[in-house]
Amino acid sequence: EAGVVQSPRYKIIEKKQPVAFWCNPISGHNTLYWYRQNLGQGPELLIRYENEEAVDDSQLPKDRFSAERLKGVDSTLKIQPAELGDSAVYLCASSLGFGTVYNEQFFGPGTRLTVL
Amino acid sequence: AQKITQTQPGMFVQEKEAVTLDCTYDTSDQSYGLFWYKQPSSGEMIFLIYQGSYDEQNATEGRYSLNFQKARKSANLVISASQLGDSAMYFCAMTGSGNTGKLIFGQGTTLQVKP
Repeated sequence: EAGVVQSPRYKIIEKKQPVAFWCNPISGHNTLYWYRQNLGQGPELLIRYENEEAVDDSQLPKDRFSAERLKGVDSTLKIQPAELGDSAVYLCASSLGFGTVYNEQFFGPGTRLTVL
Repeated sequence: AQKITQTQPGMFVQEKEAVTLDCTYDTSDQSYGLFWYKQPSSGEMIFLIYQGSYDEQNATEGRYSLNFQKARKSANLVISASQLGDSAMYFCAMTGSGNTGKLIFGQGTTLQVKP
């Protein structure tokens, strides 16, 4: 079974430039998460999707960040314009569902973003 | 608000010995889940073990066991017979309130296994 796929693995951009990250979850997983992990910290949730609906985006900086999940499968996270503080690893995860305390999330390898 | 605290930024252990990674949590929920993830230098988060708040027995998965002390709100990870491949960052996490599926992570502990 294929795991969560993310691309690109690494991205270096100048500040004020746009950037996009792509995620393909595990087949059949209805729930998709985007986390941001700053250096030396644990991941923090940015947005959660149930199928194609964003059901928790309270931590997403909406002035510059946007996300979409077309047809409830793949997802794209965009930053425009990027700032120096956006340098981090962006992790995508998926799970079969939610609503229980046991909710094993499967993570992708992440995209390491460096903003210069 | 829920919170996970990992007080050990870095740990060393000799190969083949056991090591305990500390985790304390704070929540007002009665029902919650506790997780441990491993993050090697490649970056991927690997699920290790899960403990539910109502589980009476400590969870075990191979060389991993979770020492769950509910009254003390601690969920320490024990790795037995450490291997060189265990060198990685380890994160303790818990499910957010309301069973939303959101995971709250601690700051992590870096484990280095010495040959």
